[in-house]
Amino acid sequence: GEDVEQSLFLSVREGDSSVINCTYTDSSSTYLYWYKQEPGAGLQLLTYIFSNMDMKQDQRLTVLLNKKDKHLSLRIADTQTGDSAIYFCADDSGYALNFGKGTSLLVTP
Amino acid sequence: DAEITQSPRHKITETGRQVTLACHQTWNHNNMFWYRQDLGHGLRLIHYSYGVQDTNKGEVSDGYSVSRSNTEDLPLTLESAASSQTSVYFCASSMTRDSGETQYFGPGTRLLVL
Repeated sequence: GEDVEQSLFLSVREGDSSVINCTYTDSSSTYLYWYKQEPGAGLQLLTYIFSNMDMKQDQRLTVLLNKKDKHLSLRIADTQTGDSAIYFCADDSGYALNFGKGTSLLVTP
Repeated sequence: DAEITQSPRHKITETGRQVTLACHQTWNHNNMFWYRQDLGHGLRLIHYSYGVQDTNKGEVSDGYSVSRSNTEDLPLTLESAASSQTSVYFCASSMTRDSGETQYFGPGTRLLVL
């Protein structure tokens, strides 16, 4: 599939905000997704945004979409140690999801 | 509760052996997917199925095969295991092909090929 790019690592202090960035190339994507993977587990859908929206908020999570630049971000407010995980951005290529390589988020006390 | 399970959770095998990884879902989902996860590559699609008797190749299908004889199961077979197939394998399912349809993931199978 076409490339979905993410930074590989992010470290933040507990209580700070985390921002994970993603760029995608498939302009035909209808939805863009954020999945979370905790150690030793499968992926869980965290949130998604429809491509005609530019922002979606869900409790501590805020997704921003800049469709012109094909840039997606996930902001986690008041980051907790339980938020430490790998976060995957994905677009839909029409038949399956196309994942980025994942961003490892480390939250330090 | 509906769920998606994979077995075995861990497997060690030798080069050249045939290996089958099981995936079973009780969501009654039409679509099922197999991915492999490797450091530096993220998740890559191996095969997928939109329903019984339907199978399709994904991005990295060489050396793998699947069959879909019922709605609940999509076993993944490594015809002749190679060390390059050492990976973590994830099965996923979803109800429809519609965009926005959540994919539910299994817990993964860690495969080591010696």
